[in-house]
Amino acid sequence: DSGVTQTPKHLITATGQRVTLRCSPRSGDLSVYWYQQSLDQGLQFLIQYYNGEERAKGNILERFSAQQFPDLHSELNLSSLELGDSALYFCASSRAGDTQYFGPGTRLTVL
Amino acid sequence: GQSLEQPSEVTAVEGAIVQINCTYQTSGFYGLSWYQQHDGGAPTFLSYNALDGLEETGRFSSFLSRSDSYGYLLLQELQMKDSASYFCAVRDSSNQGGKLIFGQGTELSVKP
Repeated sequence: DSGVTQTPKHLITATGQRVTLRCSPRSGDLSVYWYQQSLDQGLQFLIQYYNGEERAKGNILERFSAQQFPDLHSELNLSSLELGDSALYFCASSRAGDTQYFGPGTRLTVL
Repeated sequence: GQSLEQPSEVTAVEGAIVQINCTYQTSGFYGLSWYQQHDGGAPTFLSYNALDGLEETGRFSSFLSRSDSYGYLLLQELQMKDSASYFCAVRDSSNQGGKLIFGQGTELSVKP
């Protein structure tokens, strides 16, 4: 158990819909990272927040957005969902930026 | 840009030793990390090398050569439970974010 929690574990929705994925980092970790992993693919960095502020952005689609709240939990919002958005979405947290601890992931299926 | 290359799959037998190589190209470099991921599970941190040389943690060791932009993960006394995907990752130092750039992963199959 990494100490990072993510909800929900599974999410099934239809194209065009909007969903919100939630992540709570390890106690004391200020950085939260979001990654997308499609079938048989590597981990693609989406976005990072540090203590409530956006710190780095990857190839995140404009339909996707995220935020980090004062209690340091983070939410990833995915809208106008397409079939290709079906993937595992991982959240990770870190203290120093080198070692990232990953949550169990949310498996999103878009039908 | 940044890129990492590692073999897509490796097969070995139980009790053997296997080495997974990783070469990288980055605009800046803070260190090389290795993560293990079992099918559908969360990536878990294995090791981190910031300086040249070998780091040993139990049955796993990781090596880095900064001059060659190369590293490897060495797994000894392989067990069936070691069957998983292994990812190398570099920290992107082009900004202060600390984001990790991952390789595509090496799928290790351990046979009896």
